[in-house]
Amino acid sequence: DTAVSQTPKYLVTQMGNDKSIKCEQNLGHDTMYWYKQDSKKFLKIMFSYNNKELIINETVPNRFSPKSPDKAHLNLHINSLELGDSAVYFCASSPQTNNSPLHFGNGTRLTVT
Amino acid sequence: GDSVTQMEGPVTLSEEAFLTINCTYTATGYPSLFWYVQYPGEGLQLLLKATKADDKGSNKGFEATYRKETTSFHLEKGSVQVSDSAVYFCALANYGQNFVFGPGTRLSVLP
Repeated sequence: DTAVSQTPKYLVTQMGNDKSIKCEQNLGHDTMYWYKQDSKKFLKIMFSYNNKELIINETVPNRFSPKSPDKAHLNLHINSLELGDSAVYFCASSPQTNNSPLHFGNGTRLTVT
Repeated sequence: GDSVTQMEGPVTLSEEAFLTINCTYTATGYPSLFWYVQYPGEGLQLLLKATKADDKGSNKGFEATYRKETTSFHLEKGSVQVSDSAVYFCALANYGQNFVFGPGTRLSVLP
């Protein structure tokens, strides 16, 4: 039973296209996140939602738009893809209580050509 | 703002060697501290955590102690195995579950 699942695992697309990555968690957590991991493995928070409300929105181009239809889902839509968007994108979730760890999905490797 | 610093990798060890990966942090208040491990092609998995000063987190032979006086949370293992080869991330979480990750340290264990 996968706790945090992302689809697709791999995504190859051309510059200028629009694509979406889906994320679902079955842990009953209140908070969900999107992280971007670059080629040097550095992790950067992009967005955080708590009970479908946006609570963290780091400096990310507005081509990236998160959507949370319910607290178990947090999807990431990317418009007008650019070469620099190539990375691994991780979804994560956590309970709202302090000191609780993050639970990560297995990532979506996005390659923009 | 809060930050986490880790020793630069890669770290290459022989099997059964002793492992230390240094981690120091800067934070307001009293954060919780975590070590995560990322195996190739996978997401990050929680390895261990500590929530207050002098707490020791441990799991799978790995240990780390929350040292408030030195703002450190160094990861140690007495005898590494080839299967421990991965990227290790130190992280902190402050109020509001705002997580900050270090840059990661790649460990390679040779047979």
